[in-house]
Amino acid sequence: GNSVTQMEGPVTLSEEAFLTINCTYTATGYPSLFWYVQYPGEGLQLLLKATKADDKGSNKGFEATYRKETTSFHLEKGSVQVSDSAVYFCALTSWNTGNQFYFGTGTSLTVIP
Amino acid sequence: KAGVTQTPRYLIKTRGQQVTLSCSPISGHRSVSWYQQTPGQGLQFLFEYFSETQRNKGNFPGRFSGRQFSNSRSEMNVSTLELGDSALYLCASIPGGVMNTEAFFGQGTRLTVV
Repeated sequence: GNSVTQMEGPVTLSEEAFLTINCTYTATGYPSLFWYVQYPGEGLQLLLKATKADDKGSNKGFEATYRKETTSFHLEKGSVQVSDSAVYFCALTSWNTGNQFYFGTGTSLTVIP
Repeated sequence: KAGVTQTPRYLIKTRGQQVTLSCSPISGHRSVSWYQQTPGQGLQFLFEYFSETQRNKGNFPGRFSGRQFSNSRSEMNVSTLELGDSALYLCASIPGGVMNTEAFFGQGTRLTVV
C-alpha cells in the first residue's frame, strides 16, 4: 500500500541553524511527493513538490530531492528563520490512488531567536 | 484567483446532532476531497468527489457523507455526532483532469462536539 513515515518532532532550532526533516515513503505506483506546511489555525499550504525520481523541489529556501533508491524525500533548509515555525507534512499521491493524498504525522518546528 | 473557501470556520455542536460543512473549490477545479485532522490520528482521507460523483472513499463510518453540486461546490455531513468527531475538517481542491498534481487546501472548519 501507500504510506509516509516522517521524522517525529517537535524540533527546536536557533535562528540560522540548518534544518533537516526526514521523510520516507512506500508506494505501489509512481508517486508524486510533496511537502506541505501548516501555520497555527490555518489549512495546509504547498511548500514544494517533485513528480519523478531525482527531481528536486525548492521554494523559499527549502529543498527536497526525490530519491527512489532510498524511497526518501527529506526536507532541508540551510538557515531557518523564526517565521519558519510551523508544522511540516510530507505527503504523496499516486496514479493508482486517484487524488487521495497520504500524509505523514507532521513535524512541529519551532525556531527561537 | 480566489482560493478554497470553507464555511463555517468554527462550529460547536452537541452529541447526537448533525452538521453540514461547505467547501467552494478554486474556480475550474472539479475534484474536491475532504480530510479529517486530529492530534491523535493526523490527517485522514474521508472521500473525494469529481463531477458530482464520489470517486473514492476512506475508512469512515456511514455517518460521514458528502455530495458535490454541478458548480463543484461540495458539502459534507456528519450525523449523530460523537465526541470523537471533534476535529479540523479540511477540504482540498484539485483540477481533476491530471493525476499526481498538488492539492490546494482551505483553512478548514474546526468542529467541536460537546
